[in-house]
Amino acid sequence: QVQLVESGGGLVKPGGSLRLSCSASGFTFSDYYINWVRRAPGKGLEWIAHITGSGNTIYYADSVKGRFTISRDNAKNSVYLQMSNLRAEDTAVYYCARDRSADAFDIWGQGTMVTVSS
Amino acid sequence: EVVLTQSPATLSVSPGERATLSCRASQSVTDNLAWYQQKPGQAPRLLIYAASTRATGIPARFSGSGSGTDFTLTISSLQSEDFAVYYCQQYYDWPPWTFGQGTKVEIK
Repeated sequence: QVQLVESGGGLVKPGGSLRLSCSASGFTFSDYYINWVRRAPGKGLEWIAHITGSGNTIYYADSVKGRFTISRDNAKNSVYLQMSNLRAEDTAVYYCARDRSADAFDIWGQGTMVTVSS
Repeated sequence: EVVLTQSPATLSVSPGERATLSCRASQSVTDNLAWYQQKPGQAPRLLIYAASTRATGIPARFSGSGSGTDFTLTISSLQSEDFAVYYCQQYYDWPPWTFGQGTKVEIK
């Protein structure tokens, strides 16, 4: 069964750090790009990070550039999102989603909630 | 950055009726446009890609049309499970990959 499963969310204070994981199964992981997309409470979907299958090319949204780092370990079928200097506006459900080649996002994980609050 | 504008923000429809959702791009995205459905507490689900191609397992009552800057998602006969928020997304000019703000389809 093709699936993505996120983990690592939780409550963190402003300025703190958190590392999210996205674990994949049911497909050849290294063939796919992986994205992180978030949805803040009452808001729409926002793409925030992208990594190619080899990990050689990475892009970030301006809203997270310099604070978040995406990486992957193809041996573990996993992608990670290291989040630092977190702000209240980073509070959201974070999803990982795959695409084949900068295409539509065809498989999404169930999401993990991140709450930034003192 | 390509800005996608969806209308209306909320659409009130009775079960069995037709729903028509619009997505307008600030510049041409050719046919590199997708539609997603999201229900409360669930992940987004890909419905349509390449503007008009249904994703695997998506019922035929969902159809997409358009190219360039104007796109439409049509649900021919709304079922109870179709009440949700729908997003369009462009994957033509990236980064960033951008989404519309969403259209909520609610029961009339």
